Amino acid sequence: NAGVTQTPKFRILKIGQSMTLQCTQDMNHNYMYWYRQDPGMGLKLIYYSVGAGITDKGEVPNGYNVSRSTTEDFPLRLELAAPSQTSVYFCASSWGYPHDTQYFGPGTRLTVL
Amino acid sequence: AQSVAQPEDQVNVAEGNPLTVKCTYSVSGNPYLFWYVQYPNRGLQFLLKYITGDNLVKGSYGFEAEFNKSQTSFHLKKPSALVSDSALYFCAVRDAGYSTLTFGKGTMLLVSP
Repeated sequence: NAGVTQTPKFRILKIGQSMTLQCTQDMNHNYMYWYRQDPGMGLKLIYYSVGAGITDKGEVPNGYNVSRSTTEDFPLRLELAAPSQTSVYFCASSWGYPHDTQYFGPGTRLTVL
Repeated sequence: AQSVAQPEDQVNVAEGNPLTVKCTYSVSGNPYLFWYVQYPNRGLQFLLKYITGDNLVKGSYGFEAEFNKSQTSFHLKKPSALVSDSALYFCAVRDAGYSTLTFGKGTMLLVSP
């Protein structure tokens, strides 16, 4: 049982490039989330999904896109990378509310230069 | 709206002494409250949660937290700190009417030998 896995662990992008951050969970959780973590700012929710085929915006969705074609996978797409997207990105999953304990992946550290 | 505040950026405590990491929240309905811990270069790990019932919640690694509705607080405590407890701690809240968590900015706990 691997839990939540994320790839890659590190990535450096040039301004304007695009990339996809991969996230997979093997706990059959309905809910999946993408957060970004910036120093001193805590975690900000980018997008979330309550099940396959259903996604919704979080607090900071601009510049990102997601899809949820399967229960297991929830990729995050950056289309035109900008320096403001330099951050650590975490994927998480949970059964959903009310108990809502979220399980986090190890993170992807992204630098946009 | 839901919000959470962690008033201390950093807490310093000597090993063997009790520790407290503070958290206050604001919700319009009933709160669901969580504590997570993040070790360097790792994802967040769940410590404990309050959903309903007993105001004193016990969690992993000897941590506990007390829900205080009148003071809208959910402080994290441990009777005797260990150097290995040094990490970044996040409080999170979800209002019963919301489907996502809001995280605080985090408090760095440093336990000195």
